[in-house]
Amino acid sequence: DSGVTQTPKHLITATGQRVTLRCSPRSGDLSVYWYQQSLDQGLQFLIHYYNGEERAKGNILERFSAQQFPDLHSELNLSSLELGDSALYFCASSARSDRVTGELFFGEGSRLTVL
Amino acid sequence: DQQVKQNSPSLSVQEGRISILNCDYTNSMFDYFLWYKKYPAEGPTFLISISSIKDKNEDGRFTVFLNKSAKHLSLHIVPSQPGDSAVYFCAASDTDKLIFGTGTRLQVFP
Repeated sequence: DSGVTQTPKHLITATGQRVTLRCSPRSGDLSVYWYQQSLDQGLQFLIHYYNGEERAKGNILERFSAQQFPDLHSELNLSSLELGDSALYFCASSARSDRVTGELFFGEGSRLTVL
Repeated sequence: DQQVKQNSPSLSVQEGRISILNCDYTNSMFDYFLWYKKYPAEGPTFLISISSIKDKNEDGRFTVFLNKSAKHLSLHIVPSQPGDSAVYFCAASDTDKLIFGTGTRLQVFP
């Protein structure tokens, strides 16, 4: 158990819909990262938050947005969903805000299926 | 543009033998590398890391080798065990995020 909690574990929805994925980081960790893993792809970095502030953005679509709340949990919002958005979405946390030289702790992921 | 590449999508090794997983990168500015292991229905878990000032780091059965001139790193598992069967991701530290390869699925058979 990494200590990172993601909900929901599975989600099936239709094209054009909007969903929210939630992540609770490990106790004490201030950094939250979101990654997307599509079929046969590596983990693609989406966005990084540290203590409520956005620190870095990857190839995140404009239809996607995220935020980190004062209690440090984070939400990833996906809107106007397309079939290609079907993927595993991972959240990871770490204590650091800067260069990653230690491990990131990953949740079990949220599997999104868009029909 | 894939900055971290794992060109072998799968590898099959007999129990007790050595498993060698390879990873190439393109950005010479990367200075820290990590390997993660992922079982089905679980998130990736950290396995071992190496700084660019080193060329080898060992932890039990796992050793990571770094060849900076070739921009290549490898993970050696000796001896391989059935419980090592998983997907292995190589990652490079890029400022405040990790860039991952596409993974290699290792199967260790008896």
